[in-house]
Amino acid sequence: GQNIDQPTEMTATEGAIVQINCTYQTSGFNGLFWYQQHAGEAPTFLSYNVLDGLEEKGRFSSFLSRSKGYSYLLLKELQMKDSASYLCAVRDNDYKLSFGAGTTVTVRA
Amino acid sequence: IAGITQAPTSQILAAGRRMTLRCTQDMRHNAMYWYRQDLGLGLRLIHYSNTAGTTGKGEVPDGYSVSRANTDDFPLTLASAVPSQTSVYFCASSDSLDYNEQFFGPGTRLTVL
Repeated sequence: GQNIDQPTEMTATEGAIVQINCTYQTSGFNGLFWYQQHAGEAPTFLSYNVLDGLEEKGRFSSFLSRSKGYSYLLLKELQMKDSASYLCAVRDNDYKLSFGAGTTVTVRA
Repeated sequence: IAGITQAPTSQILAAGRRMTLRCTQDMRHNAMYWYRQDLGLGLRLIHYSNTAGTTGKGEVPDGYSVSRANTDDFPLTLASAVPSQTSVYFCASSDSLDYNEQFFGPGTRLTVL
């Protein structure tokens, strides 16, 4: 099984940077994913890491260290529309996703 | 517009009743999934299907059944609903089981009384 931990809530100011950490303990690993979910809406895919290192996509970056069971999602130049829940998910060797409980990010003006 | 649709949007159901949640996608994706989302627990996989005609169990399959008669449709059935099945249910699809991005439907909010 998978054990995935991420902080419950984070608050940051518009224009700032926020880093959401995710740690995991897994029985098999085949990739780590980040999804964004606005309140009352469906999750949408943000990023995928399978090798160690940083993946950058515009204002969002995701980092993975497989040896440490650790990932983070970095959100730069925060905008009000970035207020959402961010879900960390690990894929096992059978290609099934296990999700963390999510981190709710609130961006203040 | 291509995507995934779910029906109903929300439903209140008496315990013991049978209920089928519908999911249809028009992206010709081979893999489809059903998740439930509960506060503090995140999304949990109920059942999945790798391709039409095949299904598999996820993390929390008890009390639920699925079928995959064709590529587009993946209904989820609660044979005899219980209050612990109160949740938001999301259907998702991906090009294949090992494709990186899953596309989620808008969800069904189910309350079992």
